[in-house]
Formats: sequence, structure tokens, C-alpha cells
Amino acid sequence: NAGVTQTPKFQVLKTGQSMTLQCAQDMNHEYMSWYRQDPGMGLRLIHYSVGAGITDQGEVPNGYNVSRSTTEDFPLRLLSAAPSQTSVYFCASSYSLRNTEAFFGQGTRLTVV
Amino acid sequence: GQQLNQSPQSMFIQEGEDVSMNCTSSSIFNTWLWYKQEPGEGPVLLIALYKAGELTSNGRLTAQFGITRKDSFLNISASIPSDVGIYFCAGQRTNSGYALNFGKGTSLLVTP
Repeated sequence: NAGVTQTPKFQVLKTGQSMTLQCAQDMNHEYMSWYRQDPGMGLRLIHYSVGAGITDQGEVPNGYNVSRSTTEDFPLRLLSAAPSQTSVYFCASSYSLRNTEAFFGQGTRLTVV
Repeated sequence: GQQLNQSPQSMFIQEGEDVSMNCTSSSIFNTWLWYKQEPGEGPVLLIALYKAGELTSNGRLTAQFGITRKDSFLNISASIPSDVGIYFCAGQRTNSGYALNFGKGTSLLVTP
């Protein structure tokens, strides 16, 4: 089983560039979410989705867009990268909103210069 | 998001020792989760707690959901070198969109 797959694993961007972080899960999970992890900060929720076509903002949504056109995929878009978005990004999925036993991807390490 | 206070921030212990860490909040949570993260990997769920007072074990790991619903504890008995990693607590409140709030983590180092 692949579980939650994130691509790319590493990325360097210049300030102002845009890019999409990909996330796919093959467990038919309803609930998907994106977190960023910064040193000493734990994981902070960026956006989440409770099903195809439904997304909502988390704790730190500014500068990011998401969409959920299928159950399997939940891409995260950086519209105009800034150095403050240098971080490790994790995608997670769980069976439902109430079943919080989330499975995480391996992460994307993003550096914005 | 609701701040979870996790302590200690780091621990450096010898193999065979027991480890305790905890997480507290000023708000009530309906679910407490404990995750472990190893370098270059995403967090992996260790234990999930759904009821106040609940005590749950997973091998050498034991976690408790505090009676006040504002705290949780994780104990690791007889630590081994592969226990090395960062341990995160996470809480969920059903009246906050079901989002998970994470603590800042406890970094555990175990020497043989």
C-alpha cells in the first residue's frame, strides 16, 4: 500500500515563483489536510478538506490555495513564494472527520530564496 | 489554533530508563493523540485516546487521557535506541472544525 504520497520531496524556489505540492492517498479517506512544520513550532494546519469539492482554512492559510477535485488528490499551491514559506510541508489523510487517526506523507522540504 | 504545552522539550536518557512526557492545554479536548516522528519522515500515530480517564498501552508505550480533558501523558518503559525521535501530542475539539492542534514536540535521545 502506498498510503499518502507527496511530491516532490525537496524543492528550492525563488521569491515570487509559484508551485504546486502534490498529495495523493489511496486509502479512500474522506479527510485530507496540509500542515507546515517549522523548528520549535510543531505542526500547524494550513488547509483541510472533508471531501471532494469541499475545502476550508486552517490556522495559517495565507499565501496558500487548495482544491479537492477528487477523493484521492489534494494539491497545495503557493501563489507567490516568500522566504517565510520555507518549511517542511506534510499532507495527511484520515478516514473521516471524526476518525482522527491521521496518516502522514513523508513531507516536502521547501526552501524559498 | 489552541496552544498545547508539551514538556519536556528534550530528553537525553540511557537505554533501559523509563520516559515520561506530557501535554497540557487551557481548553478541553475530545481526543488526544500521540505521534512519533523520525528524521526525514512524517509523524506516525502511536496511541489514540477518546475518553477522559482512558489509559491505553501499545507495547512499551502507555498514554492517558487526563480526567480534566485538558491534559495527556505518554510513558515509555525500558527505552531502547530505536525510541529516538520527536514525540508530538495532538488534541482535537469537536467544536473547532475537528482540526488537530499539535504540541511543539519532545525530542528523545537514547544512548546505548
